[in-house]
Amino acid sequence: QVQLQESGPGLVKPSETLSLSCSVSGGSITAYYWSWIRRPPGKGLEWIGSVYFSGSSNHNPALKSRITMMTDTSANHFSLRLNSVTAADTAVYFCAASGYFKKPFDYWGQGILVAVSS
Amino acid sequence: EIVMTQSPATLSVSPGETATLSCRASQNVGRNLAWYQQKPGQAPRLFIFAASSRANGVPARFSASGSGTEFTLTISSLQSEDFAVYHCQQHDNWPLTFGQGTKVEIK
Repeated sequence: QVQLQESGPGLVKPSETLSLSCSVSGGSITAYYWSWIRRPPGKGLEWIGSVYFSGSSNHNPALKSRITMMTDTSANHFSLRLNSVTAADTAVYFCAASGYFKKPFDYWGQGILVAVSS
Repeated sequence: EIVMTQSPATLSVSPGETATLSCRASQNVGRNLAWYQQKPGQAPRLFIFAASSRANGVPARFSASGSGTEFTLTISSLQSEDFAVYHCQQHDNWPLTFGQGTKVEIK
């Protein structure tokens, strides 16, 4: 059973960079496709982007220019960097795993609340 | 971008009754549609994939149907643990998109 755990700061200042990490256990980083999804307060889920250990990736066009996603096979984790954040980026951020690109998300982390505020 | 529209936003149902949730896609997504259940403070859990297949451990009282642009999730004989938010998601085209969610609450 794959288990995911997000980590990172819970508060980021406007215009700065949000950096999150997702630790993977119970499975190899090379065996799944890894995604970030967020849920702003009072809103629905929003897909941020997906990445494979090979470097292949897809991003939400609404966020693409601000996103960097990476995998670390030695540490079995993957990461998200979202730069130039605003209050609109305040959300619970989830990491998730799927069997392939454009497949449902089989495994999810518990989520981490990130607030953007000065 | 494919817009997913769920209705109703909130559904008030008594335990033991049936709940019917709707999800509509702005374009044809075939059967590339998933449903997730999310409880407060928890991560979403995959419940339905390929429009009508139950994920591991999902009770048989959950059934789903549809293809193309119209999809339905039916929960028969609602149990206390079924009260939650249900999200639909299309995974046919980039960007992957979710509906706004339907909250199933106790009447």
